[in-house]
Amino acid sequence: AQKVTQAQTEISVVEKEDVTLDCVYETRDTTYYLFWYKQPPSGELVFLIRRNSFDEQNEISGRYSWNFQKSTSSFNFTITASQVVDSAVYFCALSGQGGSEKLVFGKGMKLTVNP
Amino acid sequence: GAGVSQTPSNKVTEKGKYVELRCDPISGHTALYWYRQSLGQGPEFLIYFQGTGAADDSGLPNDRFFAVRPEGSVSTLKIQRTERGDSAVYLCASSLWDRTPGANVLTFGAGSRLTVL
Repeated sequence: AQKVTQAQTEISVVEKEDVTLDCVYETRDTTYYLFWYKQPPSGELVFLIRRNSFDEQNEISGRYSWNFQKSTSSFNFTITASQVVDSAVYFCALSGQGGSEKLVFGKGMKLTVNP
Repeated sequence: GAGVSQTPSNKVTEKGKYVELRCDPISGHTALYWYRQSLGQGPEFLIYFQGTGAADDSGLPNDRFFAVRPEGSVSTLKIQRTERGDSAVYLCASSLWDRTPGANVLTFGAGSRLTVL
């Protein structure tokens, strides 16, 4: 069965620090998708990135970067030079078993960026 | 609409009562999903619709939960004989349909917070 583990539950940093959010997943599928979503205090989950299992190239988008390593079943997310607006709960998610549409989410990691 | 709209944003009810939660997806999004999020947890899948039909309802916890989407747009999640354990935030999401299995990118609403006393 699909499983996503976000070992860190809460992190607090000072503005401009870099922070990495860990995500480890389990699946027997050879084809799957990984996602990161952000949930700010307003409550709406916001899509950040989707990565398929065949594309291990790291991705950078502004201050955000993602490191996908199949060998360790990890899909980590780094925020460079964090800002107060980055404060939110971040969720890693995995596509459902056999390509099912039911996303499996981790428990989330609450990031607090202090000024 | 511009985003996924959910009503009510907050609902307080008594144990045993019937509750309806409404979701209005983004116009043109054929896929609609319901998830439930308990405090300190990630969202858990309940059901998803492709058009009017429930394509996968395997996440509904029991037969007290039911969802409909009669015209392929607005959806209603219905909970009968509510229990205290049903208290959670119910999230609705919609997506354009990506034919690649498991690849759909979801746009979520702000959720309906249900409290059962």
